[in-house]
Amino acid sequence: EPEVTQTPSHQVTQMGQEVILRCVPISNHLYFYWYRQILGQKVEFLVSFYNNEISEKSEIFDDQFSVERPDGSNFTLKIRSTKLEDSAMYFCASSEPGRGNGYTFGSGTRLTVV
Amino acid sequence: SQKIEQNSEALNIQEGKTATLTCNYTNYSPAYLQWYRQDPGRGPVFLLLIRENEKEKRKERLKVTFDTTLKQSLFHITASQPADSATYLCAVPNAGNNRKLIWGLGTSLAVNP
Repeated sequence: EPEVTQTPSHQVTQMGQEVILRCVPISNHLYFYWYRQILGQKVEFLVSFYNNEISEKSEIFDDQFSVERPDGSNFTLKIRSTKLEDSAMYFCASSEPGRGNGYTFGSGTRLTVV
Repeated sequence: SQKIEQNSEALNIQEGKTATLTCNYTNYSPAYLQWYRQDPGRGPVFLLLIRENEKEKRKERLKVTFDTTLKQSLFHITASQPADSATYLCAVPNAGNNRKLIWGLGTSLAVNP
C-alpha cells in the first residue's frame, strides 16, 4: 500500500536554529498538508499545498514557517528560529483530488527544541 | 468557530463486545466527517468518511453514523479485538475550506482479552 514517508523520525535542535522536515507524499496525490500535534493536544492544521502553491494556511503558520516542493517528489517544511513551543510531532499528509477523500499521513517527525 | 468534542475518558471494553465512540460538533453541519485511528507516536490512519447526506457507513467491523440533528457521529467497532486498542480521532472540514481539517482530541480505546 502506498505510504507517505517522513524524515527524520526525530530531530533535536537548539532554540533559534532552523530545521527542515522532509516528506515524500504519495505520487498520484495532488494535495499536500502539514499538521502538528503537541504532546497531549489535538492535531492542528498548519498548511495545505496544491499546484505548487499554498492554498490555505492557519494562523500558526506565520513567517517563521515555509513550505516547498523542490522537485516532483519531496515536500518540505522549514521552521526558522525555532522556539521551545515548536516542540511537537509534525505530520505530513497527502490526499487525492476530490473533496472528502481521506488523508494519508506519514509517521511524523518528533521535533524537540532545547 | 467549529469545535469537535470527543469523550476524553478512556473506554475499556471486553474482547468481542461492541465499542461505541462519540464525536460531537458544536457549530455548522460539516460536509463530511472522518474517523482516524492513531497509535502512540504514529500518524493518524484514515478509517472511514461519512457525508452529511449519509446516515450510516460500514466497512468490515466498523460502522459510522451521522446525525445532523444531534450534531453527532457515532463510531462502532463490532466484535472488538485487543488489536483495536488505540486512540480514535474524529475530524471535520473547516467551513469555507474543505481541505483544512478540525480535529477532536480523540478517545482512547482499550480492548481487554
